[in-house]
Amino acid sequence: SAVISQKPSRDICQRGTSLTIQCQVDSQVTMMFWYRQQPGQSLTLIATANQGSEATYESGFVIDKFPISRPNLTFSTLTVSNMSPEDSSIYLCSVEGGAGELFFGEGSRLTVL
Amino acid sequence: EDQVTQSPEALRLQEGESSSLNCSYTVSGLRGLFWYRQDPGKGPEFLFTLYSAGEEKEKERLKATLTKKESFLHITAPKPEDSATYLCAVSLYNFNKFYFGSGTKLNVKP
Repeated sequence: SAVISQKPSRDICQRGTSLTIQCQVDSQVTMMFWYRQQPGQSLTLIATANQGSEATYESGFVIDKFPISRPNLTFSTLTVSNMSPEDSSIYLCSVEGGAGELFFGEGSRLTVL
Repeated sequence: EDQVTQSPEALRLQEGESSSLNCSYTVSGLRGLFWYRQDPGKGPEFLFTLYSAGEEKEKERLKATLTKKESFLHITAPKPEDSATYLCAVSLYNFNKFYFGSGTKLNVKP
């Protein structure tokens, strides 16, 4: 299984600001996934990040709001831009294991005031 | 439309009271069904993968089973430390994507 570290684990931000979440994996992976989990809800895929190419965004998510970087095979960042209270969620980084399962980081809990 | 539905939404059990959680799915081309445990404020923890109808997996007090339309997570003689939200997810052959259910929040009272 992969060990995935996320920073920050939690943050409280002001409306209109941006926050960048970092994700570090202990092994090289082709794809990294970013999910959002709103309070009391299940997981929604934001985008898939491949090294060396632009991220692929799911319906309802756009690059201007959630820019993603993938500079190498073990690291990715997700930025939540121009935040509003509706962006208050847990943001999760994940990678796929050898048997097709997903492994997740501990998550970054974001509260926007 | 592909869907994953979990029931019940919440379940309260006494310690030692066995029960089952359900995950039903309506997808085409199932590649795998996955169960996760999620504690408050943490990321989901992988439990099991099931690939085909009739398959079963066990881990301590948990046993996962799979049919062509649904999966069950059986909890035998649960303990308070089993309290968590249990998520199921499916992945498809045609799309490199996972569909998650909304979860069952389990509370085991001592």
